[in-house]
Amino acid sequence: DADVTQTPRNRITKTGKRIMLECSQTKGHDRMYWYRQDPGLGLRLIYYSFDVKDINKGEISDGYSVSRQAQAKFSLSLESAIPNQTALYFCATSDYFTDTQYFGPGTRLTVL
Amino acid sequence: SQQGEEDPQALSIQEGENATMNCSYKTSINNLQWYRQNSGRGLVHLILIRSNEREKHSGRLRVTLDTSKKSSSLLITASRAADTASYFCATDLIQGAQKLVFGQGTRLTINP
Repeated sequence: DADVTQTPRNRITKTGKRIMLECSQTKGHDRMYWYRQDPGLGLRLIYYSFDVKDINKGEISDGYSVSRQAQAKFSLSLESAIPNQTALYFCATSDYFTDTQYFGPGTRLTVL
Repeated sequence: SQQGEEDPQALSIQEGENATMNCSYKTSINNLQWYRQNSGRGLVHLILIRSNEREKHSGRLRVTLDTSKKSSSLLITASRAADTASYFCATDLIQGAQKLVFGQGTRLTINP
């Protein structure tokens, strides 16, 4: 089983709809991250969480919100989706000691 | 704005040849990491080099870091078709923060 899972893997939605992307991990890591990737570009950080009570905005948090329901679960919400939020979304985890991040398989989101 | 810029944006070589990718960044770093992404999938960590290190090896990978020039290179020796992927450098600016800033990536194609 994968260490970092994301659901759904693909989603098509309409402008104005609320959508939630979910991430779960079995690595036991405290730190979790949400990134988005646009075609031909690197990843940009949306939100990150160092533990259940510590949530921080990243580079591009406008239009997004997150919830850290437990150490293993970190959800990303788009309150009112817009077409320029069409992208590939990745969740990642890390632990304090290795500085290495472990990525989920991604969610491909299309907003029409 | 992205911290890292990678060069070239795309590279196509024959199987068995060496591939070199470069990454330049703008500000002081704690460490620099390289990740691989197969088409549309999650990123996989390859190697991490800390600011006080100049060179690291891992199998067929060799990474160098020149902090005076704010640049790093990734060398893949004896390339294989399975090395076809996008390669991203990511900089970690503050020790313990683990907030990575990604470059836009180099698309590597290995021709059989």
